[in-house]
Amino acid sequence: DAGVIQSPRHEVTEMGQEVTLRCKLISGHNSLFWYRQTMMRGLELLIYFNNNVPIDDSGMPEDRFSAKMPNASFSTLKIQPSEPRDSAVYFCASSFGGALGEKLFFGSGTQLSVL
Amino acid sequence: DAKTTQPNSMESNEEEPVHLPCNHSTISGTDYIHWYRQLPSQGPEYVIHGLTSNVNNRMASLAIAEDRKSSTLILHRATLRDAAVYYCILNFGNEKLTFGTGTRLTIIP
Repeated sequence: DAGVIQSPRHEVTEMGQEVTLRCKLISGHNSLFWYRQTMMRGLELLIYFNNNVPIDDSGMPEDRFSAKMPNASFSTLKIQPSEPRDSAVYFCASSFGGALGEKLFFGSGTQLSVL
Repeated sequence: DAKTTQPNSMESNEEEPVHLPCNHSTISGTDYIHWYRQLPSQGPEYVIHGLTSNVNNRMASLAIAEDRKSSTLILHRATLRDAAVYYCILNFGNEKLTFGTGTRLTIIP
């Protein structure tokens, strides 16, 4: 298995533009997590899904952020409009059965720079 | 969420064992103890997890205190590739994994 695949690896955009980050889960996994990492705040959980249903989105910063799972193996995280403070590395992770005692497998991340 | 306390940084010599401590004095009886690590420019990587008994796998060993208020991740023979930030995390049920600041491990050649 290729593991969790994120695209793009790097994204540079201007303030106000829409940004879409993509994530492909490991085959057979049914939980999906979006994290954001910055030097100031470390790794923050934004949202997680179980069986395509959002379970907890309390970490989503504001209405500019939205996440979807159009099918069981794919997710998108959209920022519209983007702002410089959104600059960070965004990771997605997948697991089977939720976080209880189960390994999370992380992708390599998307480095987002908003100018 | 139950909290963990880890040293900000540690150093170890290459090819020697490393003991990374984690305190979790408010742990509940059903909290699992997870360890992840993050190598430079990569996503976090699962290392090991346990509940009450000590655990071993090909990467590391996890020693859990009898009262479960602390645990130690043991790398038996550190290599330069083990230089990373190591996170100790508690989790119960289907709760989300919440990462703290971790311990930055430096390996000295």
